[in-house]
Parts: sequence; structure tokens; C-alpha cells
Amino acid sequence: SQTIHQWPATLVQPVGSPLSLECTVEGTSNPNLYWYRQAAGRGLQLLFYSVGIGQISSEVPQNLSASRPQDRQFILSSKKLLLSDSGFYLCAWRQEPTNEKLFFGSGTQLSVL
Amino acid sequence: GESVGLHLPTLSVQEGDNSIINCAYSNSASDYFIWYKQESGKGPQFIIDIRSNMDKRQGQRVTVLLNKTVKHLSLQIAATQPGDSAVYFCAEIPNRDDRIIFGKGTRLHILP
Repeated sequence: SQTIHQWPATLVQPVGSPLSLECTVEGTSNPNLYWYRQAAGRGLQLLFYSVGIGQISSEVPQNLSASRPQDRQFILSSKKLLLSDSGFYLCAWRQEPTNEKLFFGSGTQLSVL
Repeated sequence: GESVGLHLPTLSVQEGDNSIINCAYSNSASDYFIWYKQESGKGPQFIIDIRSNMDKRQGQRVTVLLNKTVKHLSLQIAATQPGDSAVYFCAEIPNRDDRIIFGKGTRLHILP
């Protein structure tokens, strides 16, 4: 069966520090991968998605970047965090075209202080 | 860009009653819709989905209704239980589009 792993679960970082959040999927190949951010009490904002290795689509221009160095690995990064980067970050995957459902990881709560 | 919107941000329902959560979508090209449930501090979990060639689909205690004429989606939860307390999101997937856009969500609060 397929599983998605996301870590760390919580992270407290100072303003100006770098960020690296990692997400991996097991039990499937060539999945579509997604990064969402959720501010407290708000909806899910799509940040990046990837349909293949090295292919990244950015939805919202901001202080973040994403990379997909391997088929089942998706990384969210920042060189210098801002206070506004605080939020709940969710990685997700779906298997086109056989299964259109989006499956989410457990999320990373990032607090930038 | 087009997005999915929700009519009500918060819904309070008596335990045992039925809940109806509504959603409006704007992209007429969307042909697949999903409802998710998100409990506090967790990732959203799939509840039920529906394709645009259907107007109703039933699951265990949940029913999704799709009205393409007015671009409206609803999630009905029968006999609401305390464990149903969560935020519910609808999502639309436009045909041949890899993006999945979510609305703000509706918080379902269960009254004892």
C-alpha cells in the first residue's frame, strides 16, 4: 500500500534562518506531488506541484522554493525565513491517471519567531 | 484564478441531527470533486468524491450532491456524531489540470 511521510512534525525557526521540509512517498511510482500551506483557521493554499523529477510548478511567488530530486521525494526550502512563512505545511500526492484522489501527509507546523 | 468557495465558515449542529455543508465552485471545466475532513493538527482525509456525470453519490453516513446548473456541491452527514467535529473542505479538479484548489473550509461544531 502507498504511504506518505512528512517531517518534521513541528519546527520553530528564527527569522532569517533557512528551511528544508522533506516529503517522501512509498509504494507508488511517478506520483504527482504537492506542497500546500495552511494559515491558522484558514484554507489550503497551493504552493508548488510536480508531475515528474525536476519539474516544479509554482503557484504563488514568494520566499519559498521546491525541488524534486528523486521520483518520490519532494522538498520545500527557503534561504531566509520570514515571519509570514509561519503556518501548517502539507505535502500530498496523487497517482495520475489511475487515481485522482489527493492523499495528504501529516503536516509540519512551522513557527517563525 | 478560479477557486472553490464555501457558503458558511462555521456550522453548529446538534448531535444526532443531519449536517449539510455547502460549497460553490466557479470553474465550469471542473469534472471531478472531492470532500475532505481535517481534524485539528492533522492532514486532510478523503471522505467522498463525485464526477461531473453524476449528481449524487452515497457513502457510509455521507452523501455528496452535485448541481452543475448552479455550480453547487454539498456534503450531507447523517446522524452527526462528536467525531464528525472537524473542518470540511471541498476541492475541484478541472479537466486535464494537475492543480487541485481548495476553498476556505467549513468548521463543523457538534452541540451535545
